[in-house]
Parts: sequence; C-alpha cells; structure tokens
Amino acid sequence: GQQVMQIPQYQHVQEGEDFTTYCNSSTTLSNIQWYKQRPGGHPVFLIQLVKSGEVKKQKRLTFQFGEAKKNSSLHITATQTTDVGTYFCAPGANSKLTFGKGITLSVRP
Amino acid sequence: DTGVSQDPRHKITKRGQNVTFRCDPISEHNRLYWYRQTLGQGPEFLTYFQNEAQLEKSRLLSDRFSAERPKGSFSTLEIQRTEQGDSAMYLCASSYYHVAAGVYEQYFGPGTRLTVT
Repeated sequence: GQQVMQIPQYQHVQEGEDFTTYCNSSTTLSNIQWYKQRPGGHPVFLIQLVKSGEVKKQKRLTFQFGEAKKNSSLHITATQTTDVGTYFCAPGANSKLTFGKGITLSVRP
Repeated sequence: DTGVSQDPRHKITKRGQNVTFRCDPISEHNRLYWYRQTLGQGPEFLTYFQNEAQLEKSRLLSDRFSAERPKGSFSTLEIQRTEQGDSAMYLCASSYYHVAAGVYEQYFGPGTRLTVT
C-alpha cells in the first residue's frame, strides 16, 4: 500500500498563530485526500488533491500537492479553537484510502 | 438525517463471543468501506464493496472477520471468537464511484466502539 508519514504526531499552538503540517511519501501518489477528526468524532472529508503542484483553499485552510506528487501540506492561517482535532492525509489507490497516523492539533485560547 | 449510520454505537462483549455490526450507507452511494481505528492511529482499511461485490479485503484481516452487503445497500461486519486485540472503533464509510468521474470523498459513520473483556 501507499504509506505516508505525518510528523510530528502532536502540535500545540497559540490561538491566532499559523500552523503547517506535512504529509510525506517515498512513492509517487496518484491523489491524496485530507480528513479532519474532532475529539470523539469520526473522520470528515476536507479536500482531494490530484494534480502536481495543485493548491486548494478553504477559508483559512490551504492545501498543496507537491510537484513530484510525493508530499502534501496543510496550512492553517490564524488558528482558532474550532481547528482542534486530528488531521489525516490519506492517499487513495483504487478507492482504498491508506491513512497516516495524523497530527493532533491543540489550540491554546 | 441522510448520513451514514452504524448500529450499535457501543458493544461490550466477552472474549470468544461473536459480534455483528451494521452499517447503512448514504442511499445513492455504490461503494461501502469498513475501517478499524485504535487510539492514536488513523483508520485502517479492512474491506470494501462496490454494490454487493466485495472487491478487496485487507491481507491483515483475520479469517475471523467477515463482511457482507447482500443487496448492495446496508452491510454487516461479523467478528467470530472475539479477542481482546479486536477492541477498537469500527468505522463504516460510503462513497459514490463512477469510472469516468473517478473517486470521490468518503463519508464516515459515527462508528461502533467494540470492547472485548
């Protein structure tokens, strides 16, 4: 399967700070999806990236797919307490998603 | 509510017992997936169906696990002779797939939390 690494596994930020996390693969990915899971909740789809160098924005969230399609990033501008949760990247192959361990974001008010 | 539903939400069972979980996907979705998630980990793929056909099953999946989607709508996941290591959250997801349009996002249900004592 297509394995991805998300490091670190936990990050703490002050409300209002920017936050960036990366998702890295040793192999070229056909596409990658990002999901968010709130504490006690289930994963919720955020975005899908398919094209090399693709950048997509959702309000304060910016997602990027690397030129070589081996990595992806999520950037959150001016974090809010509503951003807390675990963010997973998941490459898709033949519909099956392989989730990374995720990064758990906590935001200090 | 037209989202993915799962039943039961919680299940406590004794080691060696069999358990069965149900998933009702979003009605127009032709693909249904089962995942397992333990604390601190991302969801781990178990199996998926397109309509009633089971297209892939994880090699990590013990033969104690079996899943069905008899009419291409709801699905059941059965675990026979449960072990303590089976304790986890079992997540179901559904999506719509069309060969020309490609793969779309998966919508997850709330999960069934299994505790094996």
